[in-house]
Amino acid sequence: EPEVTQTPSHQVTQMGQEVILRCVPISNHLYFYWYRQILGQKVEFLVSFYNNEISEKSEIFDDQFSVERPDGSNFTLKIRSTKLEDSAMYFCASSVQGGSNTGELFFGEGSRLTVL
Amino acid sequence: AQSVSQHNHHVILSEAASLELGCNYSYGGTVNLFWYVQYPGQHLQLLLKYFSGDPLVKGIKGFEAEFIKSKFSFNLRKPSVQWSDTAEYFCAVKKNRDDKIIFGKGTRLHILP
Repeated sequence: EPEVTQTPSHQVTQMGQEVILRCVPISNHLYFYWYRQILGQKVEFLVSFYNNEISEKSEIFDDQFSVERPDGSNFTLKIRSTKLEDSAMYFCASSVQGGSNTGELFFGEGSRLTVL
Repeated sequence: AQSVSQHNHHVILSEAASLELGCNYSYGGTVNLFWYVQYPGQHLQLLLKYFSGDPLVKGIKGFEAEFIKSKFSFNLRKPSVQWSDTAEYFCAVKKNRDDKIIFGKGTRLHILP
């Protein structure tokens, strides 16, 4: 069964360092998402991406964050200068369609980011 | 702002007990509704979804949920739980024209063998 894959599964970094989290969405999917879950809190939407551009972003997704689809398969989340409060589990998701036709979002297993 | 409320943060049941997890949302327009499950060490998986039609939807593993529009609710039910249902359950809502879905805080379900 096709699945969304994420790397790394766990990254530890020093505050102020740049981090790139990688995702390989399901191959025929067109909409891509990043969510995060701070320990003990809810899963929060960060950004959605379609047709090589951001379609929506939350207030969490400030200038420190960026997303990119550098080739036909990878979808990355970059945090330029990490803060302690960026420590969380980051989930990538993809779906075949969006908007009124959005069906199921398929999630990866997550990348745990720990900022020291 | 649109929000999703799950009132039970941690539920402990014995095997064969009946389950109902509450979910309420705050958006008044047309919505799509989802329940996702996250088993220990695994990724989020879709249990069931409601888009339109019969408000009682059946999902995988014997789960069902009922959409009650007047109550803005989408409660998850299972008549007889198993130890393998131990997991975290997330209710989620999508506004009709949005791409994103918004999650509730999750309910951690622990089934005693």
